[in-house]
Amino acid sequence: AQSVAQPEDQVNVAEGNPLTVKCTYSVSGNPYLFWYVQYPNRGLQFLLKYITGDNLVKGSYGFEAEFNKSQTSFHLKKPSALVSDSALYFCAVRYTGRRALTFGSGTRLQVQP
Amino acid sequence: DAGVIQSPRHEVTEMGQEVTLRCKPISGHNSLFWYRQTMMRGLELLIYFNNNVPIDDSGMPEDRFSAKMPNASFSTLKIQPSEPRDSAVYFCASSLGVQETYEQYFGPGTRLTVT
Repeated sequence: AQSVAQPEDQVNVAEGNPLTVKCTYSVSGNPYLFWYVQYPNRGLQFLLKYITGDNLVKGSYGFEAEFNKSQTSFHLKKPSALVSDSALYFCAVRYTGRRALTFGSGTRLQVQP
Repeated sequence: DAGVIQSPRHEVTEMGQEVTLRCKPISGHNSLFWYRQTMMRGLELLIYFNNNVPIDDSGMPEDRFSAKMPNASFSTLKIQPSEPRDSAVYFCASSLGVQETYEQYFGPGTRLTVT
């Protein structure tokens, strides 16, 4: 089965510290990987995507993600967390032959002041 | 651009009633997607359209659900009759196309409560 997993339901980090939100995928061929963020009572907002090329992808709000093919991972990172980063984060994968996104279960990021 | 527009933002209805959710995609986007979000099942794709044509409706849970896209700027998701288990947040998203590299842009969602 082709899917994406977010192993942590919640991540807690202190403001100013680096953060990592984990994502692993299971897919054959070349995956197209995405990160979205959802604030309370809002729709999902696109953060960044990996299509091909450089394994380190930079996105909105200072976020970046590293594609690691050998570990089938696409972890979201930020060097210095802000309280305003607190939200629900979704990893998603798209694979050849299926046009729709398959989402992970989401990880709630809580940044403490 | 105003982004993806959905209406209503909130809908409360009684079991058995018909519910119609509406979506206006971003201008110039050729693909439109309907998702449902619940605590139990997370985000699920219901149906998507490309150039106003339904491409994959395998996620539509039952015949009670139907979706249309009469033109490039409007889509509806209808539930008839509605049931309490349909309570969820329904999102519409659009993208430039269905190619795997395109990201999707989501609307604010419609929170449906069926009592």
